[in-house]
Amino acid sequence: AQRVTQPEKLLSVFKGAPVELKCNYSYSGSPELFWYVQYSRQRLQLLLRHISRESIKGFTADLNKGETSFHLKKPFAQEEDSAMYYCALFMDSNYQLIWGAGTKLIIKP
Amino acid sequence: NAGVTQTPKFQVLKTGQSMTLQCAQDMNHEYMSWYRQDPGMGLRLIHYSVGAGITDQGEVPNGYNVSRSTTEDFPLRLLSAAPSQTSVYFCASSYSGRGGGYTFGSGTRLTVV
Repeated sequence: AQRVTQPEKLLSVFKGAPVELKCNYSYSGSPELFWYVQYSRQRLQLLLRHISRESIKGFTADLNKGETSFHLKKPFAQEEDSAMYYCALFMDSNYQLIWGAGTKLIIKP
Repeated sequence: NAGVTQTPKFQVLKTGQSMTLQCAQDMNHEYMSWYRQDPGMGLRLIHYSVGAGITDQGEVPNGYNVSRSTTEDFPLRLLSAAPSQTSVYFCASSYSGRGGGYTFGSGTRLTVV
């Protein structure tokens, strides 16, 4: 069955340290994966999509089909990165987006 | 440009009551959807619409109705509220519905007592 797993509910790192938010997926079709972010008191918004292969706010994410993963990485965390991060999988079989449970990232000063 | 507007922000209902959560977007997006978010879980799709007059069920549609009479509006109706429907509800719209570029509303926190 299709599924998105974010194994860490909470991740706490110091400012300046590297960050990796894990996302694993299960899907038999061709995956389209996304990272969304929700900052405190703000709306959920798109951060990255794998097809763009872009870096946004210093974050990157590479789709690894062999390991069925789409981990979000940033080499040097900043305090403003503290937020909830959600990984999402678009299934073209039924045109629906499946979401992971989210990881709360806390950057300590 | 208001984006996606959801009302109300908070609501308390008694079991058995009905209500409508409003969602409106001004971006001329064809695709609109309703999600619920429960503690420790990802967003789960309730209903979605790919255009005016077209709606379909998502993962958790039971107890909810939707309609899409215009491109702008996509209300979600709770027919007979139950405590299991206590949740945070999000409306989202996008141009294509393919997962990227979703614009979200600010959410409605619903408590059913």
